[in-house]
Amino acid sequence: QQQVKQSPQSLIVQKGGISIINCAYENTAFDYFPWYQQFPGKGPALLIAIRPDVSEKKEGRFTISFNKSAKQFSLHIMDSQPGDSATYFCAASSGGYQKVTFGTGTKLQVIP
Amino acid sequence: DTGVSQDPRHKITKRGQNVTFRCDPISEHNRLYWYRQTLGQGPEFLTYFQNEAQLEKSRLLSDRFSAERPKGSFSTLEIQRTEQGDSAMYLCASSLGSYNTEAFFGQGTRLTVV
Repeated sequence: QQQVKQSPQSLIVQKGGISIINCAYENTAFDYFPWYQQFPGKGPALLIAIRPDVSEKKEGRFTISFNKSAKQFSLHIMDSQPGDSATYFCAASSGGYQKVTFGTGTKLQVIP
Repeated sequence: DTGVSQDPRHKITKRGQNVTFRCDPISEHNRLYWYRQTLGQGPEFLTYFQNEAQLEKSRLLSDRFSAERPKGSFSTLEIQRTEQGDSAMYLCASSLGSYNTEAFFGQGTRLTVV
């Protein structure tokens, strides 16, 4: 059972554009929603995270939008740069610890 | 380097052999996690330790898999009688015990079973 669904599978954006990745979850017990960035040959690294008591969180060029009633959340990367080219995973966890359920990933390519 | 360290980075083994991976967490972290990531997929939770106690195991962790954290510091993951389906990246992560604190991932061990 896939508890966190992620789309699109791949994304090509021009430099300076906005990258948008969407996720939906099923388990209403989830209470922590991180996004991870992974470069080839590396482990995932936490990018930004949100809890369901807020609808939006912004850190630099990265923004999470969260819709609790729809059980959906999304990552927006503003002014996308070639260095942002990586695989992005949305994720969710519950129970106050970091057993994380990951989405299937979005491979982002930012072209000059 | 004070991050999560995994050894080896790559392992090629023949089907049926046993393999063991090691994870050294960040020194003050009392929680340690193992995940498995296959090509094109997100990491999948395998097991979790609080200090030396193994508190949860995924059903993905068959009887051929065993994980230990004997002194609450480093951890080992052993796979017995490896199968081609075990080929994957095995990731270790660690965190403090506080509510929803960040888990830091290592660079993983890539296992190829031939």
